[in-house]
Parts: sequence; structure tokens; C-alpha cells
Amino acid sequence: KAGVTQTPRYLIKTRGQQVTLSCSPISGHRSVSWYQQTPGQGLQFLFEYFSETQRNKGNFPGRFSGRQFSNSRSEMNVSTLELGDSALYLCASSAQGTGLTDTQYFGPGTRLTVL
Amino acid sequence: GEDVEQSLFLSVREGDSSVINCTYTDSSSTYLYWYKQEPGAGLQLLTYIFSNMDMKQDQRLTVLLNKKDKHLSLRIADTQTGDSAIYFCAENTGNQFYFGTGTSLTVIP
Repeated sequence: KAGVTQTPRYLIKTRGQQVTLSCSPISGHRSVSWYQQTPGQGLQFLFEYFSETQRNKGNFPGRFSGRQFSNSRSEMNVSTLELGDSALYLCASSAQGTGLTDTQYFGPGTRLTVL
Repeated sequence: GEDVEQSLFLSVREGDSSVINCTYTDSSSTYLYWYKQEPGAGLQLLTYIFSNMDMKQDQRLTVLLNKKDKHLSLRIADTQTGDSAIYFCAENTGNQFYFGTGTSLTVIP
């Protein structure tokens, strides 16, 4: 079974631009969660999508948004990029998402650099 | 669930045992996890333990759970240089996954 894939792996943007990142979950998984990882803040939860609906959301500004398609693939979008958005963005998939017996599997991440 | 704590750094000699500790917050968490992250990579699930267990062993890995103190540990036997990485503990509260700050393990040859 193929793992979680994320595209692109690396991205360089300038301040003010917007960016879209993509995540394809493990086949059969319906939940996709997004995390931002920075050296100073560690792993921070952005949001979780399940069956095309946002089910949970972390404490990030509205510039961060996402969506999920009917095939469970997910995209996240960051508008009006700031220098502080430079980070590794990780996507994780799980079968049900927040069930107490569920487990998250991570993709390799997209490294975003904002200049 | 928001304050899952880990020490930031651990350094051990090759061949010794490593013990990475974690304190979690939600007593209702059913599953607790250990993930490994190598430089430039995503998080790799190493092992997990169900909350009604005290211990789980998986080859060189031993997970100990003290539910009363909400304390989780990961012991790596015969630590190798390839074990150098950041290790994250995580809890599933049923509403969200919460991750610790990560412990950077350095193995000295």
C-alpha cells in the first residue's frame, strides 16, 4: 500500500504571494490532518479534514485554509505569505481521524521557504 | 492535551540504552505513540501502546506507560548511530492528536 504523498517537496516563494500544497492520503484513509513544523514552535496542528469537511482547526490565522476532495486528497493554501510561514508542512492521514483507536501516518512534508 | 512535554536533548554512546521520557496530559487518551523524525523527513510511526497496557516490547524498543502519573517512556536497547533523530511522543484524545516538543537523540560512536 502506498504511503502518504505530498507535493511539492520543496517550494520557494516571496512575501505576499500565495501557495497551495497537496497531500494524497493512504488509500482508504478518509482523514487528513495538516501540521506546521518550525524549529522554535515544534509541531503545530493546523486543521483536519474528514469526508470533505473541516472537523478540527488549530490556532492559525485565516490566511491558512484547506479543503478535501471526494477522493480524500487534500490541499492547503496559504495566502499573503509572511517570512514566518517558512516551515516544514506535514500531512498525516488516518482511517477515521479522531477515533480513539486511530493512528496517524505522515508524509515526507513540503519544505516552504518564504523570502 | 496541549502540553505534552519532553526533554529537548539526549546524548548516548553507541551500544548503550537510550530512554526518552514524555509526560502527557489527558487521562482519557486511549492510544499513545512514539514517532521518529530523521533530518528533512516526515514523522515515522515507531510504535504505540494502548492505555490499558503497562509495557510493550517491539524488538529493540520498549514502551513503558505509567497511567497514574501520565508518564510514557521509550527505551531503545543497543542504540546505534542510525537511531540519531528527533523522537516525538503523541496522544490521541479522541478529539485531536497532540504531539510533544520532540527529543533530539544524538548517538556518539
